Amino acid sequence: GENVEQHPSTLSVQEGDSAVIKCTYSDSASNYFPWYKQELGKRPQLIIDIRSNVGEKKDQRIAVTLNKTAKHFSLHITETQPEDSAVYFCAASTETSGSRLTFGEGTQLTVNP
Amino acid sequence: EAEVAQSPRYKITEKSQAVAFWCDPISGHATLYWYRQILGQGPELLVQFQDESVVDDSQLPKDRFSAERLKGVDSTLKIQPAELGDSAMYLCASSPSGATDTQYFGPGTRLTVL
Repeated sequence: GENVEQHPSTLSVQEGDSAVIKCTYSDSASNYFPWYKQELGKRPQLIIDIRSNVGEKKDQRIAVTLNKTAKHFSLHITETQPEDSAVYFCAASTETSGSRLTFGEGTQLTVNP
Repeated sequence: EAEVAQSPRYKITEKSQAVAFWCDPISGHATLYWYRQILGQGPELLVQFQDESVVDDSQLPKDRFSAERLKGVDSTLKIQPAELGDSAMYLCASSPSGATDTQYFGPGTRLTVL
């Protein structure tokens, strides 16, 4: 089955700096890659996703890049703010897996004022 | 904005007892998922429904866990008997039709087994 690895497990940045979180996946058939933000005690919320027919997607301060050849994708957050502090999860799925999402282990991002 | 509803939000039980969790997906969403999230880890799929049918329960410990979605709308996940290792957050999610649709998560039920 699919295996998703996520790095780093913790990331601390100064407000205004950029943050990058990287994930690798094992199943070359994976074609959907969402990123979720989970604040303490709250539900995971989708912040951005990318499908395998594109290499990059941006939404304001957030961007995701996908390298299908290398089987990795990354989340980029620019101009970080304290409210960006949360746990971020990457995930991957394939239609052949019945849309099962396989999640990474998560990255605790802390943005210091 | 419509959201996935879950209840209860918190549940404390003793081992060997039975517990049940309820989920109401976003109206019109055909696909419903139950995930288990152990503290410090990513969610892991337990069971997936398409309408009232189970399409994936390969990771569901069927000796103690059961799930149903009788009318293809809301769903119940049951654990009987609960074990200490079942302590976790149980998250429900729904999506319009599965495949690679966006999955929307509920607030979860935090289970503590004593």
